Amino acid sequence: NAGVMQNPRHLVRRRGQEARLRCSPMKGHSHVYWYRQLPEEGLKFMVYLQKENIIDESGMPKERFSAEFPKEGPSILRIQQVVRGDSAAYFCASSPWRGPNQPQHFGDGTRLSIL
Amino acid sequence: DQQVKQNSPSLSVQEGRISILNCDYTNSMFDYFLWYKKYPAEGPTFLISISSIKDKNEDGRFTVFLNKSAKHLSLHIVPSQPGDSAVYFCAASAVNSGTASKLTFGTGTRLQVTL
Repeated sequence: NAGVMQNPRHLVRRRGQEARLRCSPMKGHSHVYWYRQLPEEGLKFMVYLQKENIIDESGMPKERFSAEFPKEGPSILRIQQVVRGDSAAYFCASSPWRGPNQPQHFGDGTRLSIL
Repeated sequence: DQQVKQNSPSLSVQEGRISILNCDYTNSMFDYFLWYKKYPAEGPTFLISISSIKDKNEDGRFTVFLNKSAKHLSLHIVPSQPGDSAVYFCAASAVNSGTASKLTFGTGTRLQVTL
């Protein structure tokens, strides 16, 4: 998993607070994806971004969740007014381009716990 | 709607023997398939992939087989080693359908390689 950096590794929030998760892609990668993993489940796609553009947000909840990938700096997944059900592991992945047959490479995730 | 299914939650194999992990899918638009390995508290690590134009891809001890008519793929690990003990996820994407890069994951199979 070297290269895709996520921070923080663990984040604890109380209900109603905001959570910000950061992801720096591998060097040379301009495409970022966010996935969520609930306990005992597989990873579920949330959003796909390129620099300054959201390409596919079909997996994002319509409310409270937003994502960005600015021209400078890491990608941010933002969860407003967190609830208990947001507790999960959030993984970021990156790839060099959108073309066919490009595997995504994952970071080690942020474990979000809501008290 | 589980489009990628891994029906065996766990598998135990003796060191040196072959491990066979199975995966079924329902979406006929999927045309690129990947296997990831995941250790606890880490992100998924890319292992091997296969495009739908092939029926086999091999990389060292890992071979992936694809049977398009049965919508089935399998990962063979031979010989199995204790370090292979991890959770293995099958993933798929529809590269040519306009939803490229969005990976759909199975729920994983926990492989235990015993001495």
